[in-house]
Amino acid sequence: QVQLVESGGGVVQPGGSLRLSCAASGFIFSSYGMHWVRQAPGTGLEWVAFIQYDGTNKYYADSVKGRFTISRDNSKNTVYLQTNSLRAEDTAVYYCAKDRGGNTGFDYWGQGTLVIVSS
Amino acid sequence: QSVLTQPPSASGTPGQRVTISCSGRSSNIGSNTVNWYQQLPGTAPKLLIYTNNQRPSWVPDRFSGSKSGTSASLAISGLQSEDEADYYCATWDDSLNAWVFGGGTKLTVL
Repeated sequence: QVQLVESGGGVVQPGGSLRLSCAASGFIFSSYGMHWVRQAPGTGLEWVAFIQYDGTNKYYADSVKGRFTISRDNSKNTVYLQTNSLRAEDTAVYYCAKDRGGNTGFDYWGQGTLVIVSS
Repeated sequence: QSVLTQPPSASGTPGQRVTISCSGRSSNIGSNTVNWYQQLPGTAPKLLIYTNNQRPSWVPDRFSGSKSGTSASLAISGLQSEDEADYYCATWDDSLNAWVFGGGTKLTVL
């Protein structure tokens, strides 16, 4: 069965960095795009970033452009989110999600990893 | 302020039919298909409807979706207590070059 397991969250000071990881299993990872979506406490979902199946195309939300970088290692079935210059408003649960392809939805989600930006 | 507009709340009694709306513009819903997600309390979101009206295999046929112009709707018939959750619409926005979500609708089963 498909599994997505995020890790790397934690407490970080404003201006700091964290690298989030998402380990995938149960499907041909190298054939699918992957997303990061976040949810600040008590609020709705916000799409953060997408990487194409082979890593050639990447898209970012304006709120994180220039600060966050999405990448993947298909040999390790893992997608990453490097988060730099963190701000209080980046505090959220970060989910990775598998793309079905062609804007047909994100069909599997991980359980999320919590990032808290606080001094 | 979300790009897609949803009512913040909806409610119904067991057995009732409820609908949740999602309003956008020509650059998003008007030119792309809509997907819906269900988020039960304390859990990760789950894909509920894709490509406007298609259900993944794990979703009962009580759930249906539709799209017309720059708006979309999610309908839940035969409402059950376990349907109490947050519901989000989402699509691609051609102008923003980004996926966008609605602000979410909290469904309460009375």
